[in-house]
Amino acid sequence: QVQLQESGPGLVKPSQTLSLTCTVSSGSISRGDYCWSWIRQNPGMGLEWIGFSYDRGSTSYNPSLKGRATISLDISKNQFSLNLNSVTAADTAVYYCTGGSSSSKIASWGQGTLVTVSS
Amino acid sequence: DVVMTQSPLSLSVALGQPASISCRSSQSLVFSDGNSYLNWFQQRPGQSPRRLLYRASTRESGVPDRFSGSGSGTDFTLTISGVEAEDVGVYYCMQGTHWPPVTFGQGTRLEIK
Repeated sequence: QVQLQESGPGLVKPSQTLSLTCTVSSGSISRGDYCWSWIRQNPGMGLEWIGFSYDRGSTSYNPSLKGRATISLDISKNQFSLNLNSVTAADTAVYYCTGGSSSSKIASWGQGTLVTVSS
Repeated sequence: DVVMTQSPLSLSVALGQPASISCRSSQSLVFSDGNSYLNWFQQRPGQSPRRLLYRASTRESGVPDRFSGSGSGTDFTLTISGVEAEDVGVYYCMQGTHWPPVTFGQGTRLEIK
């Protein structure tokens, strides 16, 4: 199974852009049969799918985010990233990156990183 | 969006006793290939979620065989044949048939009685 590790700032100011990176090991992100997702979990709450990249660069996002999210691949570094703009306190959460086959979507998870939106 | 509804939301089970969690979807999860793309995840306290089952009933490598999944269409069940202490945590179902968005159930908290 692939191994994933999130990295990025733990604190972001309101109205700014949240940027996270996921480093993938034991597998190539250029494989066409895999989805690379971002999921978040508000403290003490459930899981919300943000979006994924699939088929070597196509993307799909949760409509609830109203176009604020962008997921991109860096094949040279075997990484994928999340940018979430115009953040508010409601975006405070633990953010997970995941990988999974194009059929089941989500299998392996990173350890998660807490991002707090506060001035 | 496909709404995933789990029940119960919390469960208290004595060690060695069975436990069942229901997951119902607002639409059939049967894809054109005949599979239901329904995953079950376990999240132990302080840990990331871990996939237990995929395609409703296929166990992930390394998952104990006391965990089993059943169902198709809109009704699915996760069963633990005999609960052990390490099974404490929150269990989520997730559908990947109809997207966007991929959707999760609310989670079911399992504790030991």
